[in-house]
Amino acid sequence: EIVLTQSPGTLSLSPGERAILSCRASQSVSSNYLAWYQQKGGQAPRLLIYGASSRAAGIPDRFSGGGSGTDFTLTISRLEPEDFAVYYCQHYGRAQYTFGQGTKLEIK
Amino acid sequence: EVQLVQSGAEVKKPGESLRISCKGSGYPFTSYWINWVRQMPGKGLEWMGRIDPSDSQSNYSPSFQGHVTVSVDKSISTAYLRWGSLKASDTAIYYCARVRYSSDSSFIYWGQGTLVSVSS
Repeated sequence: EIVLTQSPGTLSLSPGERAILSCRASQSVSSNYLAWYQQKGGQAPRLLIYGASSRAAGIPDRFSGGGSGTDFTLTISRLEPEDFAVYYCQHYGRAQYTFGQGTKLEIK
Repeated sequence: EVQLVQSGAEVKKPGESLRISCKGSGYPFTSYWINWVRQMPGKGLEWMGRIDPSDSQSNYSPSFQGHVTVSVDKSISTAYLRWGSLKASDTAIYYCARVRYSSDSSFIYWGQGTLVSVSS
């Protein structure tokens, strides 16, 4: 079973700053099967990135995904007030899915 | 417009059975797998299992295998998640989610969530 470890657990930044969130897999995974989600309090998660680097429909271009193998990143180039939320990475493949434990992005 | 609409909040006692639902609309229901995701209070997302509405083929996370059952009624475009015997630790929000495409299994559409509370 692939384990995804996200870091940091909490990231404190100010609007306008750049955020870099990390997701490390316990074994190499195909980039085709790595996704990122945003979840705000009391809401269902929202797909941001699929295939490690492709933005889902309607997602602003300040969100970008990258990485390969075991190390993946979600970058938010310039934080907007609405970006402060919890972010999860997810691996999907071989009929099993795994989520990371999440990174909370909070306002500094 | 694609929508997944889940059934309402439930309050149950340990040992009781429960089935919650997820109704899809705005797309061909049998063309996309439906997944179920648990979120315990204040915790992260956990994938539970999935079902192919076209033939009811299903897969489960080892963590949930044997404790829950996923099913569908394609005549009414509805997927279900069922417990035979609830535990207090089943208290959580449960989401259904549809994959983006058959060739890409990220979760593009989500239901609003169903809160299940289990307490004696």
